Amino acid sequence: KAGVTQTPRYLIKTRGQQVTLSCSPISGHRSVSWYQQTPGQGLQFLFEYFSETQRNKGNFPGRFSGRQFSNSRSEMNVSTLELGDSALYLCASSLKDISINEKLFFGSGTQLSVL
Amino acid sequence: QQQVKQSPQSLIVQKGGISIINCAYENTAFDYFPWYQQFPGKGPALLIAIRPDVSEKKEGRFTISFNKSAKQFSLHIMDSQPGDSATYFCAASNANTPLVFGKGTRLSVIA
Repeated sequence: KAGVTQTPRYLIKTRGQQVTLSCSPISGHRSVSWYQQTPGQGLQFLFEYFSETQRNKGNFPGRFSGRQFSNSRSEMNVSTLELGDSALYLCASSLKDISINEKLFFGSGTQLSVL
Repeated sequence: QQQVKQSPQSLIVQKGGISIINCAYENTAFDYFPWYQQFPGKGPALLIAIRPDVSEKKEGRFTISFNKSAKQFSLHIMDSQPGDSATYFCAASNANTPLVFGKGTRLSVIA
């Protein structure tokens, strides 16, 4: 069974641009959540989608948005990029709603560098 | 406000020794406490998890100890091996909140 797939693996952008990251969850998993990982802050929760609905949202500005499609694939978008957005963006999927403490399966992430 | 505090930031242990990583949480409503292991270039993977109705859970060389009154839990890695060298994250959640992670501990096991 294929794991969580994130594309692209690496991305370099300049300040002010926007970026879209993609995540394909494990087949059958309906919940997708996104985390930002930086050396100083660890993993910080961005948002979670379950059956195309945003169920939870972390404490990030409105420049960060996401969506989930009917096939459970998810995308996150960051507009007007800032230098501080440079991070590893991780997607995780689970079989059910993560609010019932389901095991999360993480992808390898997209490393975003903002110059 | 950091809800889960993890220590130490980094840890060096001799092969065969015991690695101990500690976490403290603030929200008494948390009822699920997992540990994730992350190797370079990979996403975190669930290692072991505990719920507050038990004080200890063991899976192979990995043990979680849980102290509800102190709001603390720890990961013990017995007979540490070079292959255990990774970054470890503790986390906590409940039915109303997604996982909140500690900042991670980079473990190096040296021969």
